[in-house]
Amino acid sequence: GENVEQHPSTLSVQEGDSAVIKCTYSDSASNYFPWYKQELGKRPQLIIDIRSNVGEKKDQRIAVTLNKTAKHFSLHITETQPEDSAVYFCAATRDDKIIFGKGTRLHILP
Amino acid sequence: GAGVSQTPSNKVTEKGKYVELRCDPISGHTALYWYRQSLGQGPEFLIYFQGTGAADDSGLPNDRFFAVRPEGSVSTLKIQRTERGDSAVYLCASSDRASGPYEQYFGPGTRLTVT
Repeated sequence: GENVEQHPSTLSVQEGDSAVIKCTYSDSASNYFPWYKQELGKRPQLIIDIRSNVGEKKDQRIAVTLNKTAKHFSLHITETQPEDSAVYFCAATRDDKIIFGKGTRLHILP
Repeated sequence: GAGVSQTPSNKVTEKGKYVELRCDPISGHTALYWYRQSLGQGPEFLIYFQGTGAADDSGLPNDRFFAVRPEGSVSTLKIQRTERGDSAVYLCASSDRASGPYEQYFGPGTRLTVT
């Protein structure tokens, strides 16, 4: 089955700097890669997703890239703000069973 | 419109007891999913319904866990003979496969504590 690895587990960046979270997946048939943001005690919220026929997608300060050959995908957050502090999960699926990474705790330092 | 709702928000039960957790998906969403999230981990897939039938229950950890969706809307996750290791947040999500086949929207979760 699918296995998703996520790095780093914790990331601290200065406010205004960029943050990058990287994930790898094992099932070459996976074709959908969502990213979720989860604040403490809250539900996971979908922030951006990418499908396997696209290499990059951007939405304001957030961008995702996908390298199908290497089975890597990454989340990029630019001009980080305090409200970006949260746990971010990458995920992969080829059907409806989403497999999540273990999460990255992002701290935005003042 | 209303999002996914789950009840109860918190449930404390004694080891060996039976519990039921309820999920109300977004109206019109045909697909419904259950996940379990332990502290410091990502959500772990349990079971997925398309309509009334369980399309994939490969994530259910053992036969103490069972889920139903009799009318294709509300779903109930049932756990028999609860164990302390079952303590986690149980998340439900729903998806409208007609308009966006893979976007899943999560409920607030039920925090289950087995003492």
